[in-house]
Amino acid sequence: ELKVEQNPLFLSMQEGKNYTIYCNYSTTSDRLYWYRQDPGKSLESLFVLLSNGAVKQEGRLMASLDTKARLSTLHITAAVHDLSATYFCAVDIPSGTYKYIFGTGTRLKVLA
Amino acid sequence: SAVISQKPSRDICQRGTSLTIQCQVDSQVTMMFWYRQQPGQSLTLIATANQGSEATYESGFVIDKFPISRPNLTFSTLTVSNMSPEDSSIYLCSVGLAGPTDTQYFGPGTRLTVL
Repeated sequence: ELKVEQNPLFLSMQEGKNYTIYCNYSTTSDRLYWYRQDPGKSLESLFVLLSNGAVKQEGRLMASLDTKARLSTLHITAAVHDLSATYFCAVDIPSGTYKYIFGTGTRLKVLA
Repeated sequence: SAVISQKPSRDICQRGTSLTIQCQVDSQVTMMFWYRQQPGQSLTLIATANQGSEATYESGFVIDKFPISRPNLTFSTLTVSNMSPEDSSIYLCSVGLAGPTDTQYFGPGTRLTVL
C-alpha cells in the first residue's frame, strides 16, 4: 500500500524557535511537493523538489529531498505567527503522472 | 501559474440529492483532477478528468457516484450523486502544469454539507 506519512501531526512551537517536519513515503518517487493550507482556504504551493538532493528555500522555510531514504524535510527557522497553518507533502506515483498522494498533514501553531 | 474558480463555494444539501460542482481555469490545461478533503483530513484523489474521454477513477471511487465531465481544456464538472452525510467534505479541483513550476494548482474548493 502506498503511504505518505508526516510527523509530527501537530506541532505547537514558540516564535523564534526552529523545527523540522518530516515526510516519509513508501515507494519510489523522485518528485515531492510541499503545500500550505490555511484554515478554510485552498492549498498554496510552497516547494517543488524534482530530484535527489534538491534543496529549496523561501524565507524561513527550507525543504529538502532524499529519494534514497524516501524522505523529505521542511525546516522552519525562527518561526513567526504567520507560519501557523497545515503543511502537506505530496508525491506523484508513478513519478511524473501528477497523480498526487498526499501526506497526513502537519498542523503547525506558532505561539507569540 | 493558473487561476482556478469553483462553483458553488459551499452548499448544504439533503440526503439522496445530487450536486454538480463546476471548475473553471483561466487557460487551457491538459491535466485536471478532482480531490476530496474530509473534515480535518488530508486530500484524496478522486479521479483524473480527461478531455474528450471518460474520467479515470482511483480505487474506491466510481463513476456512478462521482460522474465527471470535461468538455474542453478549461472546464470540468464533478457531480456527487445520491448524497449521504458521509459525502460531507471539501471538493477541490486542480490542474497540473508542466514546465518550470511543474506542480499542481488548486481551486478554492467547494464545501459540501449533507444533512
